[in-house]
Amino acid sequence: EVQLVQSGGGLVQPGGSLRLSCAASGFTFTIYAMHWVRQAPGKGLEYVSAISTDGAGTYYVNSVKGRFTISRDNSKNTLYLQMDSLRAEDMAVYYCARYANSAYDYWGQGTLVTVSS
Amino acid sequence: QSALTQPRSVSGSPGQSVTISCSGTRSDVGGHNYVSWYQQHPGKAPKLMIYDVSKRPSGVPDRFSGSKSGNTAFLTISGLQTDDEADYYCCSYAGSYTWVFGGGTELTVL
Repeated sequence: EVQLVQSGGGLVQPGGSLRLSCAASGFTFTIYAMHWVRQAPGKGLEYVSAISTDGAGTYYVNSVKGRFTISRDNSKNTLYLQMDSLRAEDMAVYYCARYANSAYDYWGQGTLVTVSS
Repeated sequence: QSALTQPRSVSGSPGQSVTISCSGTRSDVGGHNYVSWYQQHPGKAPKLMIYDVSKRPSGVPDRFSGSKSGNTAFLTISGLQTDDEADYYCCSYAGSYTWVFGGGTELTVL
């Protein structure tokens, strides 16, 4: 069974940092690109970042470039999102998602990031 | 990259059909056959319903179908059931390793 189990969310002050993790199991992690998608409270879904199978290619939505870093540890089957210089507008539920057949076929349970003083 | 345009809400009665539109541009919906649709119940993670415009993942009922015409994609749900009541989002590849979602459509089954 494919599972994506997320951890690392929480409350952080504006300007602070947080690292999200997404532990994958039930599939060959190394052959899938992985993405992060977020959803602000009461709002729609937004693509945040993507990473290639080997981690060499990383991509970001313009609003997080230079502040967020996506990475993966294929030896641990884990995806990460390092979020620095957090802003109020980054407050959202963050989902990790497996990218296959040009779509997000499996999603993590989501983790809430609250940015507030 | 601007969000794709979806109607805020649609509704239908059990057994009826509804169609949700997803309007984009030549850079996203019109330029790629990589449109997908997601169902999201409150407090839950999204679930993939359609990929590559019109393909259904294993386990998704054939009551759900997708299509595209020009810069607009469509999700049609036939034989509406109460459990279909949810938010629906379209998503398209927009080139240069960017992806864009629609604003979401709330489906009410009356």
